[in-house]
Amino acid sequence: DTAVSQTPKYLVTQMGNDKSIKCEQNLGHDTMYWYKQDSKKFLKIMFSYNNKELIINETVPNRFSPKSPDKAHLNLHINSLELGDSAVYFCASSQDFGTQGIGPGELFFGEGSRLTVL
Amino acid sequence: QQPVQSPQAVILREGEDAVINCSSSKALYSVHWYRQKHGEAPVFLMILLKGGEQKGHEKISASFNEKKQQSSLYLTASQLSYSGTYFCGTESSSDYKLSFGAGTTVTVRA
Repeated sequence: DTAVSQTPKYLVTQMGNDKSIKCEQNLGHDTMYWYKQDSKKFLKIMFSYNNKELIINETVPNRFSPKSPDKAHLNLHINSLELGDSAVYFCASSQDFGTQGIGPGELFFGEGSRLTVL
Repeated sequence: QQPVQSPQAVILREGEDAVINCSSSKALYSVHWYRQKHGEAPVFLMILLKGGEQKGHEKISASFNEKKQQSSLYLTASQLSYSGTYFCGTESSSDYKLSFGAGTTVTVRA
């Protein structure tokens, strides 16, 4: 049973198209994240949801819209795709905000979704 | 703000030791360490909370100097399985965000 699963794993599309990536976790965690990893391997946080509520919204173009229908799911929709959007997008989850009630505990990552924009 | 990791890359022979450093300009609440193998997801190694704590995971250990806002990861008697990119993630005392460094690529050769 995969703890954090993402679909699709690979996505190749043309500039200007709209695409979605879906993420599901079966760990019972309250917090979910989207991270972007570019070709230089930088892991950059994009969004975080806690119990379906948006808590972190980094400086990301508003072409990116996350949606959390319930605490086990976090989807990412991208409009008008650009070449610079090519990257691996990782979904992750954590048990709320860590042991001291501040910040995330251990993050469990999905396998990643490699997006290539042509 | 992202932490700074050094070195960027290190090549080791099996059995050798290495140290990876991570530093931040912000006051830190915790430091996380993750390892990512090529084409895979990052995998959690350990969390260090403020207090100068040291932790270990097999022959991989880490320290956290809260005053210097630095953490170091120690790879002892490295094995082939230690190859991968190691990321430190820092959580500042002022927000809930986990910011990752650029990673250190470790290659262990037989």
